Amino acid sequence: QITLKESGPTLVKPTHPLTLTCTFSGFSLNTTGVGVGWIRQPPGKALEWLALIYWNDDKRYSPSLKNRLTISKDTSKNQVVLTLTNMDPEDTATYFCAHQAPWFAELSAAFDIWSQGTTVAVSS
Amino acid sequence: DIQMTQSPSSLSASVGDRVTLTCRASETVDKYLSWFQQKPGRAPNLLIYGISGLHSGVPSRFSASGSGTDFTLTISSLQPEDFATYYCLQSYSLPRTFGQGTKVEIK
Repeated sequence: QITLKESGPTLVKPTHPLTLTCTFSGFSLNTTGVGVGWIRQPPGKALEWLALIYWNDDKRYSPSLKNRLTISKDTSKNQVVLTLTNMDPEDTATYFCAHQAPWFAELSAAFDIWSQGTTVAVSS
Repeated sequence: DIQMTQSPSSLSASVGDRVTLTCRASETVDKYLSWFQQKPGRAPNLLIYGISGLHSGVPSRFSASGSGTDFTLTISSLQPEDFATYYCLQSYSLPRTFGQGTKVEIK
């Protein structure tokens, strides 16, 4: 059974960085084709994809946030870490991490299992 | 970037109604199209993968179809627990992109 859970601050000051950790179980990020993604959702708005890290350490970012985002993994700890620098009130959102199935599997690269989400507010 | 456009943005329907939601991609996404249901304060739940594959545990009243750039999600007989917002997602290329969502409300 795959589970993911985020951890990190619920309140961040403007211009400060946000670091979120996704701790997962039930799968390995050493498995070919597997990825972990981060998605966020501002209050009342749509889902926005942020970043993805693959089993082979390939890292991909949203073009609009690429200069501010860093994603990394610690396979031994079953964790993926997302850092978003220079936080702004517009970054206030619920942040999710999700397991991405391999593109060659039946699930066709779908985000099949999601974390519960963590709400982060940006305010002084 | 591939743009995903969902229509309508919201709809009102009654329990028992047949409901069809649409998602259009700005270019082909091959088979890499999925649908999610999200209820307020909850994480999205995967309903459909690979255009029409029903995810484990999803009721059979949900079905989906499409190809290339045009896709639909159908709920054959709307149930009270189906009132939610539905999103499509393309996983064909990076960046991944979601539709803006369709909110299904009670009439």
